Amino acid sequence: DTEVTQTPKHLVMGMTNKKSLKCEQHMGHRAMYWYKQKAKKPPELMFVYSYEKLSINESVPSRFSPECPNSSLLNLHLHALQPEDSALYLCASSLTTGMRGETQYFGPGTRLLVL
Amino acid sequence: AQSVTQLGSHVSVSEGALVLLRCNYSSSVPPYLFWYVQYPNQGLQLLLKYTSAATLVKGINGFEAEFKKSETSFHLTKPSAHMSDAAEYFCAVISVAGTALIFGKGTTLSVSS
Repeated sequence: DTEVTQTPKHLVMGMTNKKSLKCEQHMGHRAMYWYKQKAKKPPELMFVYSYEKLSINESVPSRFSPECPNSSLLNLHLHALQPEDSALYLCASSLTTGMRGETQYFGPGTRLLVL
Repeated sequence: AQSVTQLGSHVSVSEGALVLLRCNYSSSVPPYLFWYVQYPNQGLQLLLKYTSAATLVKGINGFEAEFKKSETSFHLTKPSAHMSDAAEYFCAVISVAGTALIFGKGTTLSVSS
């Protein structure tokens, strides 16, 4: 089973709202990632977690706050977002990070609209 | 720095025709290369990857790609297109540290009957 699940599938929020995106995998992977994908563009890396510790933050604004409560679960907390943050947010996982041949498995994404 | 360039943002073929999607890479170290497909309103699915073993890599759904170091290329091919192949295709290279996938801009494949 190579499934990464993400909830919700769609999310509409106002600029003053607080919401969270959830990602889950049960493949025993110890690396998890958040990517952001704008329409008609490729995914761009936001965060990398390795063994539940944040290892990479690609200069993402603080209104995005990641959390990895355990090895199977990855959250992205959203607060005071801007309309330009509207995008598809993709979660991915891999067995480890730092091994260049590892495959990253992607979830279906959460499509976020900020009004 | 690692990068990939996908030539042609949009490719149109007829059903049954050869599919050729082009990808060239730039890498300061031996590259590890990936092709992903994204169907509308879905996440990314791995088609195949090159990890320095065989230069001809076979993937899912009848796709294959050939790594050519002399041409710094990793083009994706399929002998006979199906309507179900219509999607966005991304070529990617893994970063030197092995953390981030660095994607090309993508190629939209359209298949007509």
